[in-house]
Amino acid sequence: DQQVKQNSPSLSVQEGRISILNCDYTNSMFDYFLWYKKYPAEGPTFLISISSIKDKNEDGRFTVFLNKSAKHLSLHIVPSQPGDSAVYFCAASGDFNKFYFGSGTKLNVKP
Amino acid sequence: KAGVTQTPRYLIKTRGQQVTLSCSPISGHRSVSWYQQTPGQGLQFLFEYFSETQRNKGNFPGRFSGRQFSNSRSEMNVSTLELGDSALYLCASSLGETSYNEQFFGPGTRLTVL
Repeated sequence: DQQVKQNSPSLSVQEGRISILNCDYTNSMFDYFLWYKKYPAEGPTFLISISSIKDKNEDGRFTVFLNKSAKHLSLHIVPSQPGDSAVYFCAASGDFNKFYFGSGTKLNVKP
Repeated sequence: KAGVTQTPRYLIKTRGQQVTLSCSPISGHRSVSWYQQTPGQGLQFLFEYFSETQRNKGNFPGRFSGRQFSNSRSEMNVSTLELGDSALYLCASSLGETSYNEQFFGPGTRLTVL
């Protein structure tokens, strides 16, 4: 049973435009959410996190939005750059370091 | 600070054998988590160790086990390997004192079972 879902396996965006990656979860006990970026043959790299007491967190070009009532979070990348091309995973936890990951969205930023 | 390191990076085994993977966390991190990544399945949580104790466990059979040493280094063992165990095994470390610590991943160990 997939408790965290990323329904878009891929996304293509033009350089300079906004990339929006989406993630849905089913467990209302989740209270901490992370986004990771992964290049081939490397481990995931932490990008940004948000706890359930917030609905938005920003870090440079990356902003994560959390809609608890809809059990939905999204990652906005503005402006998108070719170096952002990678697979993005969202993860959620309601317990110490027991994270549930989505299946990932492959982002392609075209120059 | 050095990042999370995993050894070996690649491993080939045959069915029925056992394997041990190693993970050295970031200095000062006391929590180590293990994940299995297979194509189309994303990352599946195996277990987490904090201060030498297993604190959380995923839904994997008992063939998958782990331990953590006093220096926070962790090992994962898989016994009686099956073809379906072929995967990328990732470990992640974090401070671990609260529920709100970012996890930092190593490069992974690619296990192939023939």
